Amino acid sequence: EAGVAQSPRYKIIEKRQSVAFWCNPISGHATLYWYQQILGQGPKLLIQFQNNGVVDDSQLPKDRFSAERLKGVDSTLKIQPAKLEDSAVYLCASSRIGGARQETQYFGPGTRLLVL
Amino acid sequence: GQSLEQPSEVTAVEGAIVQINCTYQTSGFYGLSWYQQHDGGAPTFLSYNALDGLEETGRFSSFLSRSDSYGYLLLQELQMKDSASYFCATNFNKFYFGSGTKLNVKP
Repeated sequence: EAGVAQSPRYKIIEKRQSVAFWCNPISGHATLYWYQQILGQGPKLLIQFQNNGVVDDSQLPKDRFSAERLKGVDSTLKIQPAKLEDSAVYLCASSRIGGARQETQYFGPGTRLLVL
Repeated sequence: GQSLEQPSEVTAVEGAIVQINCTYQTSGFYGLSWYQQHDGGAPTFLSYNALDGLEETGRFSSFLSRSDSYGYLLLQELQMKDSASYFCATNFNKFYFGSGTKLNVKP
C-alpha cells in the first residue's frame, strides 16, 4: 500500500511570511496527526484528527497555526505569520483507528521548513 | 502532564548488544512504543508493550515494567545500519515522544 505522502519536502521562507503543508494519509486511515520536530528533539504533537474532526489541538499555537482535514482524507497545516522558531520538520502521520490502546502510526517523509 | 526520559546518545560496536532505557511519568498510560528514525528520514514503528515483560521481534526486543514506569529497547547483533535515533513514546489517547537516543554503531 502507498505510504503517507507530504509536500513540499523543503521550504524556505522569511519570517512573517505564510506557508502551507499538505498531507495525504494511507488510504482508509481514520486518524491523522501533525507533529513538529525541532532538530535534536522528539516529535511534538500539534493536532490530531479523527476523520474530519479535531481530537486534540492542545499544543497547536492557534494564534499562528491552523489545520484542516476536509472530507476526512487529506489535510493542510498552515503557519501565518511564520517566526524563526518555527524552523523544524513537520511530520504527518496516520493510523487506522486512533485512540486505540495499541496503535501504530505511519509517518510521512516530512517537510523541512527553514524560516529566515 | 507527560514526560519521558532517555539517554541522549549511546555508542556501541558492530555485533554488540545495546540497551536504550526510557522512564516515563504520565497521567494515563496504555502502553510504550519504540520508533526508529534515520537522519533525514521518517520515524518507523519498531515495537509496542502494553503489558509487563519482554516482546521480541527479530534482533530487537522491548521490555516494560509498569510498576517502575520504565522500559527499554534491546538491540542485538548490532549492524551499521542500526545507527539512528530511537524514540520511546507513550500512548494515552494521544502520543508523547521522548527526546530520542542517538545510537552510533562503530565498526
